[in-house]
Amino acid sequence: GQQVMQIPQYQHVQEGEDFTTYCNSSTTLSNIQWYKQRPGGHPVFLIQLVKSGEVKKQKRLTFQFGEAKKNSSLHITATQTTDVGTYFCAGKKSNDYKLSFGAGTTVTVRA
Amino acid sequence: SAVISQKPSRDICQRGTSLTIQCQVDSQVTMMFWYRQQPGQSLTLIATANQGSEATYESGFVIDKFPISRPNLTFSTLTVSNMSPEDSSIYLCSVEDTNYEQYFGPGTRLTVT
Repeated sequence: GQQVMQIPQYQHVQEGEDFTTYCNSSTTLSNIQWYKQRPGGHPVFLIQLVKSGEVKKQKRLTFQFGEAKKNSSLHITATQTTDVGTYFCAGKKSNDYKLSFGAGTTVTVRA
Repeated sequence: SAVISQKPSRDICQRGTSLTIQCQVDSQVTMMFWYRQQPGQSLTLIATANQGSEATYESGFVIDKFPISRPNLTFSTLTVSNMSPEDSSIYLCSVEDTNYEQYFGPGTRLTVT
């Protein structure tokens, strides 16, 4: 079945530094979505990428979808304490209604 | 975006009993999903619930253990039957909007003793 792999599992970041989390699929995706889950909270939708090579920005967050539509990345610049949480990528195959979630990257920030 | 509520928010249950979790959405939606999330883990899809049809279960999940109802386009229930400690988890419902974005309820934290 479809698997979405996500690395790293944990990311400890100094406040103000940048970091990137990566997502890879074994199959071509029709779209990929990113979610953020704060400690004790539920996943919250961040963004959806649909086109090959697509890049979208949300303030300090930059999301990319690979040319082959098999990988994606989330890059956060100038990390702040509000960025703490777990970031999940989730991919959807063509003609499939289901999302396959990656394992998540749990981010902690050192002030 | 949709606003989703779940009841109960948490419960502690004895093994062998059953718990029904309710999910209410503030708008009509076609697709509703039920997920399980073990502490510190990712989300695992249990089943998809469409109004007017049987729920579609993922591999490893069966209707006898996790019966689902979907009586209308704004409501669904998931029952965790004959519970064991291995069922201790967070159960989340979600809905998909017309842009294929998913919105999650706050979750039900279940502990089975």
